[in-house]
Amino acid sequence: EAAVTQSPRSKVAVTGGKVTLSCHQTNNHDYMYWYRQDTGHGLRLIHYSYVADSTEKGDIPDGYKASRPSQENFSLILELASLSQTAVYFCASSRTGGDTQYFGPGTRLLVL
Amino acid sequence: SQLAEENPWALSVHEGESVTVNCSYKTSITALQWYRQKSGEGPAQLILIRSNEREKRNGRLRATLDTSSQSSSLSITATRCEDTAVYFCATDSAGNKLTFGIGTRVLVRP
Repeated sequence: EAAVTQSPRSKVAVTGGKVTLSCHQTNNHDYMYWYRQDTGHGLRLIHYSYVADSTEKGDIPDGYKASRPSQENFSLILELASLSQTAVYFCASSRTGGDTQYFGPGTRLLVL
Repeated sequence: SQLAEENPWALSVHEGESVTVNCSYKTSITALQWYRQKSGEGPAQLILIRSNEREKRNGRLRATLDTSSQSSSLSITATRCEDTAVYFCATDSAGNKLTFGIGTRVLVRP
């Protein structure tokens, strides 16, 4: 079965601080994604990647950076965390761009 | 505006009843996917239905697709309390990525 793990599972950060969310997949999938979920907005795509060492902007990339150092790992970086970035963040992987996405359990981020 | 949108926003049924969630989308697609998200978990795919398919089944789940009206439905028969979740449709109209709707909240009561 597909396996996507995220760390940390929850985090409290201070405004202006740097936050790094990590994602690891053992599916041998080329595509990985970062979403944020807020009440009333569903899942919104922040960044995605289809090959190691390359990332693409999603629908809401402002304020976020991404890093894909290997096929298995994909990180989301908030250089200067803001209150508006309080949300639940999900990582996902898929074999191809339009294929089934397998999601991690999520990271709950609270920025104070 | 949303490229994919589920309706209704929420609904409630008793265990054993059937429930249907609808989805409308705005662009041409190669496939539409239905996902379920239980409280505290990440979404999990239920069904993928391709644009050349009209219906797809997976156990108690049945998805339909009407590309002429750009709509889809997901029906669950013989519902159980564990079917309580948020149900999303997602379209691949954007190429390398999926676009998710806001979701329909389904509550199955004992």
